Amino acid sequence: GENVEQHPSTLSVQEGDSAVIKCTYSDSASNYFPWYKQELGKRPQLIIDIRSNVGEKKDQRIAVTLNKTAKHFSLHITETQPEDSAVYFCAASKAGNTPLVFGKGTRLSVIA
Amino acid sequence: DAGVIQSPRHEVTEMGQEVTLRCKLISGHNSLFWYRQTMMRGLELLIYFNNNVPIDDSGMPEDRFSAKMPNASFSTLKIQPSEPRDSAVYFCASSFSENSPLHFGNGTRLTVT
Repeated sequence: GENVEQHPSTLSVQEGDSAVIKCTYSDSASNYFPWYKQELGKRPQLIIDIRSNVGEKKDQRIAVTLNKTAKHFSLHITETQPEDSAVYFCAASKAGNTPLVFGKGTRLSVIA
Repeated sequence: DAGVIQSPRHEVTEMGQEVTLRCKLISGHNSLFWYRQTMMRGLELLIYFNNNVPIDDSGMPEDRFSAKMPNASFSTLKIQPSEPRDSAVYFCASSFSENSPLHFGNGTRLTVT
């Protein structure tokens, strides 16, 4: 089955700097790659997603890139702010009766 | 739409007791997922349903765990008997299909003493 590896497990950045979180997946048939943000004590919430027919997607300060050949995708947050501090999860899935498989998460701390 | 609704938000129980967690899906969603989250193991998929039918329950840790979907909008996760190692946050999530955005409920924090 699908296996999603996420790195790093923790990341600290200065406010205003960029943050990059990387994920790799094992199943070349996977075609949907969402990213979730989970603030302390709250539920994971979708922040951006990408499908395999595009290589990059951007939404304000957040962007996701996908390299299907290498089977990896990344989350980029620019101009980080303290409210970006949270745990971020990547995930992957494919069409058919297969659910999302999540990475282990990255705890991002933005230091003011 | 109020989103995915879980109850209770917190549950504290003694070892050996039965625990029932409840989930109401977003209207129109066809897929329902139960996840368990702990610091050590992250987000683990326990079971998921598609159109009320259980598709994969391989993540259910033991026979003590069972899940049902009596109708298209509601699901329960039952643990009987509960054990301290079951302590975790249990999330229910729904989506239009397996390969579409997942919407999580607020979770149930279960503590078994």
